[in-house]
Formats: sequence, structure tokens, C-alpha cells
Amino acid sequence: GAVVSQHPSWVICKSGTSVKIECRSLDFQATTMFWYRQFPKQSLMLMATSNEGSKATYEQGVEKDKFLINHASLTLSTLTVTSAHPEDSSFYICSANPSGSNTDTQYFGPGTRLTVL
Amino acid sequence: GNSVTQMEGPVTLSEEAFLTINCTYTATGYPSLFWYVQYPGEGLQLLLKATKADDKGSNKGFEATYRKETTSFHLEKGSVQVSDSAVYFCALAGGTSYGKLTFGQGTILTVHP
Repeated sequence: GAVVSQHPSWVICKSGTSVKIECRSLDFQATTMFWYRQFPKQSLMLMATSNEGSKATYEQGVEKDKFLINHASLTLSTLTVTSAHPEDSSFYICSANPSGSNTDTQYFGPGTRLTVL
Repeated sequence: GNSVTQMEGPVTLSEEAFLTINCTYTATGYPSLFWYVQYPGEGLQLLLKATKADDKGSNKGFEATYRKETTSFHLEKGSVQVSDSAVYFCALAGGTSYGKLTFGQGTILTVHP
């Protein structure tokens, strides 16, 4: 149980285009999901907290107009990288906190590798 | 704010060797502490956790004790296996960042037969 999927697992796009990444909790509902960015050989950096039915909360330094987050249902959150540039190339990871569980319980997706040419 | 510092890797060991990966943290209040593991091509998985001082988390032969006096949560295993090769992340939640995880930089472990 407690499986989180991400789609796509990898994507290559041209500079200036937008890319949408999906995060799904497959066997549980998640009121809260988190989006992280992981640079090579570095740690995960929290980008934003996504709450179902409300606006996401972005961490300091993360552009909310560039990284659009939508959490329209209890099992799906999406991250759209708008007008992507090469510096946005990274590994994006989501996690989900099961509704009703302890707030520090998170199940992670396998990640999405984004390469912007 | 919260921060986590892990020993730098990579760490390379022979099978059945003893493993220690150091982790220290900075946080206000009383955070929960975690070790996550990321196997090649997979997402992060919770390995173990401890929620208060002197608690010991354990799983799959791995152990870590929440030491408030030294603000540490070192990961240990008495005899590693090739299948333990992965990236290990120390993390904390709570303190001033309720519900959010703060990760260390990760330590790559490679175990040779």
C-alpha cells in the first residue's frame, strides 16, 4: 500500500515550452502533497506544499508563476513548469501525506527527470 | 530555520562491514527525525524514524538513536549487504516547519561483495 506514482518519469522539452508533471496517490487519499526539486548529488529542496482545494504554499525563492501547482482532487496534484529554460532541468519529486495521518508521514513518488534543451 | 548535515560520501564498504552514517541537525522545538533510503531508479522510502529524545528507530537491521544532547541521529548497521547499496537521506520534520521535511544532502553507499 501507500503507492505514489509520477508521470512522466522523464521528459525532454524545448526551451520556452511548458511541461506538466502529475503526482497520484494510488491507494490512499492525500489532502496534502509536496513538490521537491533534487539537483545532481544534492539534497531534496522543498518547492511548495499543495493542499487539495486551495492555493499552494510556495517556499521562499520559488516563483509561483513559473511553477504552477494544481491539487484538484484528493489523489492528484500537478506541477506545470511554464516557459521552461535549461536551468529548470532537474529531478522533480512529489510526496503525499495520507489524509488523517500524522503530518510528518510522507510517501514519495519515483520522480520525474526534466531536461530542457 | 531547520537544517540537517550528513557526512559526505560516497561510502564504499565490503559486504558484512559495519556502517555508520553521521547526521546532525539544527532545529527549534522538538522535531521528529527520519532516515530515508533511495534505491536506484526508485522513490524515497522511509527506513526508520524517531519522534522524541532517546528513541531508537530500527528497521531491516539499521538503527538510529535520537540524541538531543548532541543533536544527532547517526545511522548504523552491523553487517551491510550488497542490497543495501543506495542513497541515504537524514531528515527532520517539525520544530518551526510543521509538517515539512528538511533533508540532508544524502550519502551514497556502495557495498561490494
